[in-house]
Amino acid sequence: DGGITQSPKYLFRKEGQNVTLSCEQNLNHDAMYWYRQDPGQGLRLIYYSQIVNDFQKGDIAEGYSVSREKKESFPLTVTSAQKNPTAFYLCASKSPGSGGPRETQYFGPGTRLLVL
Amino acid sequence: QKEVEQNSGPLSVPEGAIASLNCTYSDRGSQSFFWYRQYSGKSPELIMFIYSNGDKEDGRFTAQLNKASQYVSLLIRDSQPSDSATYLCAVRAGGGADGLTFGKGTHLIIQP
Repeated sequence: DGGITQSPKYLFRKEGQNVTLSCEQNLNHDAMYWYRQDPGQGLRLIYYSQIVNDFQKGDIAEGYSVSREKKESFPLTVTSAQKNPTAFYLCASKSPGSGGPRETQYFGPGTRLLVL
Repeated sequence: QKEVEQNSGPLSVPEGAIASLNCTYSDRGSQSFFWYRQYSGKSPELIMFIYSNGDKEDGRFTAQLNKASQYVSLLIRDSQPSDSATYLCAVRAGGGADGLTFGKGTHLIIQP
């Protein structure tokens, strides 16, 4: 059963704590993405990775870190430097299309991060 | 700063009617355009994408693109209560850029 999985579904963070959100895909996609969604808002790009061992900052990377050691996995760490982490975090991967306009992104089920 | 604008709604449409959702974008070099549907508490799911001027039809859905006017729309024919959701417009810039820029979404309500 192919797809994108994210865990946990809900995550609680204490002040000053780093937390890591998991994203795994078995679609054999090269590119993976992390977005953040705040209530009533669109999605904003945090980080993306087009290939293993390489990643790029998106529009709102401050306070976040990522790694891409395996093609299937792209974990996101929300560090204590992120002062407003409460949001819905969405991981996506992109179907390959040789860089053409047909390339589309598909989303995992998301993780809700709440601050205690 | 790339921007994607949508009317937040709610847009209320009677069941069986045509729902029309609109989106404008600021980056004239944008290459591809996507419509996602998002139910409350769920992740976005892809409805359609379009990259050439004109219309693209898929079942009850039609995407329309006018690059000269920097305008993209989604029409939903024979609207059903299950179409009630937030519809997100997303744009990918050209020139090898990656990642999508999203609008804030339009909340659509189909009234039985």
